[in-house]
Amino acid sequence: NAGVMQNPRHLVRRRGQEARLRCSPMKGHSHVYWYRQLPEEGLKFMVYLQKENIIDESGMPKERFSAEFPKEGPSILRIQQVVRGDSAAYFCASSPRIEANYGYTFGSGTRLTVV
Amino acid sequence: AQKITQTQPGMFVQEKEAVTLDCTYDTSDPSYGLFWYKQPSSGEMIFLIYQGSYDQQNATEGRYSLNFQKARKSANLVISASQLGDSAMYFCAMREKGLQGAQKLVFGQGTRLTINP
Repeated sequence: NAGVMQNPRHLVRRRGQEARLRCSPMKGHSHVYWYRQLPEEGLKFMVYLQKENIIDESGMPKERFSAEFPKEGPSILRIQQVVRGDSAAYFCASSPRIEANYGYTFGSGTRLTVV
Repeated sequence: AQKITQTQPGMFVQEKEAVTLDCTYDTSDPSYGLFWYKQPSSGEMIFLIYQGSYDQQNATEGRYSLNFQKARKSANLVISASQLGDSAMYFCAMREKGLQGAQKLVFGQGTRLTINP
């Protein structure tokens, strides 16, 4: 049973380009969360999705960022027109139910570098 | 708003000693959950231990135990018999209720633990 799969592991983009980060949850998990970690900081919540629904996007920047979790395929975090401040590690977590004590499994993260 | 505070930016411990990593939290919600995660230099987030606010006993998982003092709002992680492989960043987190029943984690700033041989 594979864990949460994120790709790519590392992503380099020039300012103004688009970044697409992918997350495949654990088998049987229908709840996906995206977190962002700036250097030397803890993770900060961005968005919570279920299949085909955005439930809570209160942590997402208002512009340039979007997320989806389609019926088929991985969840995608999309950052348009990236800027240097978007450089961070982006983690995806999944859980089998809305309230999970042991079930928040994190992927290995995507490290985005904007040059 | 809920908040997690980790007051130790860095700690240095001799191998085989026990170590306590501090975590205090602030919440007005009577029902909450507390987590500890380990982040080694490779970057992944590894779940260590969970404590529910209504749990009567302190959580334990192998060499990890959680010293839960509800009245003081503290949830310190204790690692017994530390090993070189324990060197990593450690994050305390609390589950927070979000929109439409969403359950999201609020993380502290982390403590960088270094185990010396």
